[in-house]
Amino acid sequence: QVTLRESGPALVRPTQTLRLTCTFSGFSLTTNGMCMSWVRQPPGKALEWLALIDWADDKFYTTSLKTRITISKDTSKNQVVLTMTNVDPVDTATYYCARSTSWTLGAFDLWGQGTLVTVSS
Amino acid sequence: DIQMTQSPSTLSASVGDRVTITCRASQTIYNWLAWYQQKPGKAPKLLIYKASILESGVPSRFSASGSGTEFTLTISSLQPDDFATYYCQRYNSYPWTFGQGTKVDIK
Repeated sequence: QVTLRESGPALVRPTQTLRLTCTFSGFSLTTNGMCMSWVRQPPGKALEWLALIDWADDKFYTTSLKTRITISKDTSKNQVVLTMTNVDPVDTATYYCARSTSWTLGAFDLWGQGTLVTVSS
Repeated sequence: DIQMTQSPSTLSASVGDRVTITCRASQTIYNWLAWYQQKPGKAPKLLIYKASILESGVPSRFSASGSGTEFTLTISSLQPDDFATYYCQRYNSYPWTFGQGTKVDIK
């Protein structure tokens, strides 16, 4: 069964560092063409792509957050991690991990259920 | 960064209506565009990729077209399950970006 599941803290204080983990099953991030992204959605707002890591360990980031976020993977654990430094209340959002593959030519064919992160003091 | 603009932001329609949503890119993205459907409290669902290819399992009433900078998603006969928010997303070059969404609600 192919699944994605996000995990991490529900509440983070401003200026702290947020660490989110996406644990997946049913496929391998070592497969050629396989990529994993993080996408977020503030309450009532649009989706925002944040970062991508591919099977070759190449990494790409959204322009506005590239100084604050890092994406990494642990293929032995089937996990992808997003780290965001110096969080602010505007970072309050549901954070999704999503898969893209060579079959869908980059589009996200599989999503996790999302995890809501609130940034508040 | 290449910006994606969807129109309309909200669309009121009835069951059985033909519905069209437009997505425009600020510069050419060739045909590297996807469409997603999102229902409240749920993750997005892939409908269309590479501008016009229907994802497996998606009903054939959904179709899409376009290339370059202008794209459309069409629902040929709106069904009760189709009331949702729809997003376009480009993936021709990094950073990838989504449109701001089109909410399809009941007229």
